[in-house]
Amino acid sequence: GEDVEQSLFLSVREGDSSVINCTYTDSSSTYLYWYKQEPGAGLQLLTYIFSNMDMKQDQRLTVLLNKKDKHLSLRIADTQTGDSAIYFCAVDNTDKLIFGTGTRLQVFP
Amino acid sequence: NAGVMQNPRHLVRRRGQEARLRCSPMKGHSHVYWYRQLPEEGLKFMVYLQKENIIDESGMPKERFSAEFPKEGPSILRIQQVVRGDSAAYFCASSSWTGEDSYEQYFGPGTRLTVT
Repeated sequence: GEDVEQSLFLSVREGDSSVINCTYTDSSSTYLYWYKQEPGAGLQLLTYIFSNMDMKQDQRLTVLLNKKDKHLSLRIADTQTGDSAIYFCAVDNTDKLIFGTGTRLQVFP
Repeated sequence: NAGVMQNPRHLVRRRGQEARLRCSPMKGHSHVYWYRQLPEEGLKFMVYLQKENIIDESGMPKERFSAEFPKEGPSILRIQQVVRGDSAAYFCASSSWTGEDSYEQYFGPGTRLTVT
């Protein structure tokens, strides 16, 4: 079945850029998503990219998609302490989302 | 526009009891999805429903779990005879089709089920 993988942890200094990576196996996914989860909370949809796009920018967020390598990344510019959270990559599979295990981003001053 | 509502937020059940989790989708959304998140893991799809219909239940355990989305009222995820392994956060999401032919799934705050 579909598999989505992410690295577990990322630690960055406040003001630096963060890059969170994701790989997936199903090349038929149409949309690829990034969600943010803060402790004890639900998931917040940050952004998504259509599979025929290479890049999408939305304020501090930049999503890059390499369809050939099945690699998705989320870049957060000027990372702030409020960005500390778990970030989930998800891909659509027919009518459901397949999630990665999440990357815990820690931002230190 | 209120977001996806779930209740209760926290639920404690003893082994063998029943758990009922409720989800009210966003206004105007007719698609509901349930996901389960075990500790330190990502979300796993359980079931996808539209009003009065189960569309995809490929992620539902074969026994003890059921879901419904009646014509009126919230969607219900029901777990009978709970066991410790059912302890998890259960998230509901809702969506409607957008003009781009995409569907963005909006998540509720989750119900954290603890089985003692």
